[in-house]
Amino acid sequence: ETAVFQTPNYHVTQVGNEVSFNCKQTLGHDTMYWYKQDSKKLLKIMFSYNNKQLIVNETVPRRFSPQSSDKAHLNLRIKSVEPEDSAVYLCASSARGNTEVFFGKGTRLTVV
Amino acid sequence: GDSVIQMQGQVTLSENDFLFINCTYSTTGYPTLFWYVQYSGEGPQLLLQVTTANNKGSSRGFEATYDKGTTSFHLQKTSVQEIDSAVYYCAMRVDSNYQLIWGSGTKLIIKP
Repeated sequence: ETAVFQTPNYHVTQVGNEVSFNCKQTLGHDTMYWYKQDSKKLLKIMFSYNNKQLIVNETVPRRFSPQSSDKAHLNLRIKSVEPEDSAVYLCASSARGNTEVFFGKGTRLTVV
Repeated sequence: GDSVIQMQGQVTLSENDFLFINCTYSTTGYPTLFWYVQYSGEGPQLLLQVTTANNKGSSRGFEATYDKGTTSFHLQKTSVQEIDSAVYYCAMRVDSNYQLIWGSGTKLIIKP
């Protein structure tokens, strides 16, 4: 099956902990993204990664960092979570020249 | 800068009602406009793409058009069903920039 796969589906953690979310795409795409979706369903792009070029949304706090081992994987690390980090994190990918973006099912983070 | 505005946060309809969701856009470039749909527990997925003003795109009973004169684009369906309950996003890509600019989403609730 070709798609975007995210793990875990859910994660509950305490303030100050470090978390890491995994994302893998088997679509052969060369660009990957991380989005944050808040409780009002607002989508905000956090990072895009294309051919080893990282583009960061300047509003993203520095405790967030993407990690890529190859063009099929883009993980997301949060160094010290805050309550406002509770959200759904969506990983996505697209091919160069192709306008369609494919999303994973998301990882729901709850910070207590 | 480039922007997309989606004013309707939530729309509640009964089965067989007519659906109309509108977005406005602003750009000095050449836009390609999209509608994505997100069902519960899933990531957003492409519903329709419209690249030429006044041309219609259609998929799964939905139609999309855009009006260059009023810089607006809309999504419509003649007769909604309960399975159409989802969040609908409009989005824009400008020129060859692969980044999407997203509307804030419209939650469609279908009363049984």
